[in-house]
Amino acid sequence: AQKVTQAQTEISVVEKEDVTLDCVYETRDTTYYLFWYKQPPSGELVFLIRRNSFDEQNEISGRYSWNFQKSTSSFNFTITASQVVDSAVYFCALSEIASYGKLTFGQGTILTVHP
Amino acid sequence: DSGVTQTPKHLITATGQRVTLRCSPRSGDLSVYWYQQSLDQGLQFLIQYYNGEERAKGNILERFSAQQFPDLHSELNLSSLELGDSALYFCASSPGGRAPYEQYFGPGTRLTVT
Repeated sequence: AQKVTQAQTEISVVEKEDVTLDCVYETRDTTYYLFWYKQPPSGELVFLIRRNSFDEQNEISGRYSWNFQKSTSSFNFTITASQVVDSAVYFCALSEIASYGKLTFGQGTILTVHP
Repeated sequence: DSGVTQTPKHLITATGQRVTLRCSPRSGDLSVYWYQQSLDQGLQFLIQYYNGEERAKGNILERFSAQQFPDLHSELNLSSLELGDSALYFCASSPGGRAPYEQYFGPGTRLTVT
């Protein structure tokens, strides 16, 4: 069975601090995909990144970066120089190749960035 | 704007009633997914349709049903509603196929059962 754990329920930082959101997953499949989504206070879910299990290269997109480590089953997300607009709930999700795209989400991490 | 539309945005109804939530996927997407978000259960997958056919089922109650129409829009029907069904219901779409593509989510329908 697939499972995603986001151990940090809430994180509070001051603007310009760097912050890392942790995500640990469990799966028996060798082929799977990992995702991060952002849910701002307005409520919609915004896609951030998709990664497959064969691509362990880290990715950077502006102030966002992702660190995928198969050895520790982790897919962590770092925001550099955080801004107030980064305040949101962040979800990590897993999809096994056999599940036709069904996403299994972690419980989410509430990030609050104070000015 | 994700390109996925959901109506209505809010719905308030009484226990025992039946409601229908509607979703239109992004242009060109063949797969539609339904998810429920509640405080106690988090984000849970309910059901997926691909080009009109049911593809995968999650923890969907028997009181709930869905379908995808030839024009690819989808409806989620919730009947004999209980207080515990109050939640945010999301629809998402993706191109479909075998590989799990990124899903684009609609704005959600907030259901309140009183």
